[in-house]
Amino acid sequence: AQSVTQLGSHVSVSEGALVLLRCNYSSSVPPYLFWYVQYPNQGLQLLLKYTSAATLVKGINGFEAEFKKSETSFHLTKPSAHMSDAAEYFCAVSEGSGGGADGLTFGKGTHLIIQP
Amino acid sequence: DTEVTQTPKHLVMGMTNKKSLKCEQHMGHRAMYWYKQKAKKPPELMFVYSYEKLSINESVPSRFSPECPNSSLLNLHLHALQPEDSALYLCASSQDSIISGANVLTFGAGSRLTVL
Repeated sequence: AQSVTQLGSHVSVSEGALVLLRCNYSSSVPPYLFWYVQYPNQGLQLLLKYTSAATLVKGINGFEAEFKKSETSFHLTKPSAHMSDAAEYFCAVSEGSGGGADGLTFGKGTHLIIQP
Repeated sequence: DTEVTQTPKHLVMGMTNKKSLKCEQHMGHRAMYWYKQKAKKPPELMFVYSYEKLSINESVPSRFSPECPNSSLLNLHLHALQPEDSALYLCASSQDSIISGANVLTFGAGSRLTVL
């Protein structure tokens, strides 16, 4: 079974500082990987996805992630944090081959706190 | 229309009640999903419908009964629930096509259920 591990249930950064949220995956085949964001009392919104086309993936709201096979990692970064980035962030892996109606398996989530 | 709409947003029910959660999308997606999310936890997959047929049931208790009347609608019928079933129920949809590559799920805002 495929899985993802998010290191750090809470991450606190100052406004304007670098954001780094960590995600490691476990998969026997090349995975499809995703980052979703969830604001309070809302559903999940896709930030970006990795589909093997490029190892550096750019997403919405200035976020990007780099797929590193040697480290089995897919860490999420943003150069400069904004107060509006405060939310819960989930790393996810497609449960199957990624092409059909596969569900996603989510990591436990990282709560991002932005200090003014 | 790029949204998944869920109704109601909030639902309070007793353990003997029968109620339903509804989900609708008009993006032409042929896969639809129900997820359950407890507070401060990641979403957990419950059911997947592919082309209106149930394709995945993650050993969910029979007091939860999904229904997919057509390609745009997904219902979750609730009966004899327990207080521990209180959670945010998220609906999602995706294209369900191998040709499309990574299966990106679009989530609704969720229905927050409280069982008394």
